Amino acid sequence: DAGVIQSPRHEVTEMGQEVTLRCKPISGHDYLFWYRQTMMRGLELLIYFNNNVPIDDSGMPEDRFSAKMPNASFSTLKIQPSEPRDSAVYFCASSQTGFQGPLHFGNGTRLTVT
Amino acid sequence: AQSVTQLDSHVSVSEGTPVLLRCNYSSSYSPSLFWYVQHPNKGLQLLLKYTSAATLVKGINGFEAEFKKSETSFHLTKPSAHMSDAAEYFCVVYGNKLVFGAGTILRVKS
Repeated sequence: DAGVIQSPRHEVTEMGQEVTLRCKPISGHDYLFWYRQTMMRGLELLIYFNNNVPIDDSGMPEDRFSAKMPNASFSTLKIQPSEPRDSAVYFCASSQTGFQGPLHFGNGTRLTVT
Repeated sequence: AQSVTQLDSHVSVSEGTPVLLRCNYSSSYSPSLFWYVQHPNKGLQLLLKYTSAATLVKGINGFEAEFKKSETSFHLTKPSAHMSDAAEYFCVVYGNKLVFGAGTILRVKS
């Protein structure tokens, strides 16, 4: 299995621009998670889906962030407009059994907003 | 509610010597406990998982952890460190939500 695939690996953008991060979960995994990792705050859960349905988006920082899962093999996390404080590594993870896992993480997207 | 505290932000060992990464937790539930490892520029990978079966849990790459309820601890150990073990390690607790520790960076000296 190819594992969880995220794209792009690196994204550099200017403040105010729209950013879209992409994730392909492992086939057969019903849960998909978006996490953000920073030095200051560690790993933060932004949102998770079960069977393509958003279950908990309470971690989404503000309305500038949105996530979709149009089908079982694809999810996006969009930031519009982006701000420098959004700079972080964003991870997508998938699981067959929810939080009790294991969670399988992608290699992340390193976002830099200048 | 639950929380997890990793007692050391950095640990440095020599290759071939034992590794001990310390983790204390609190949970209002009977928790599941995990250790994940993150190598540079990679995502997290599960090392091992405790779910109320045997208190000594064996994981991948020679790591193991012991669940001690009386001490609310779940320390990660390995008898002999290898250079490839250099990474960041996260202790994680699940009660009704998944909570990650702040991480311990393990350095292995040759």
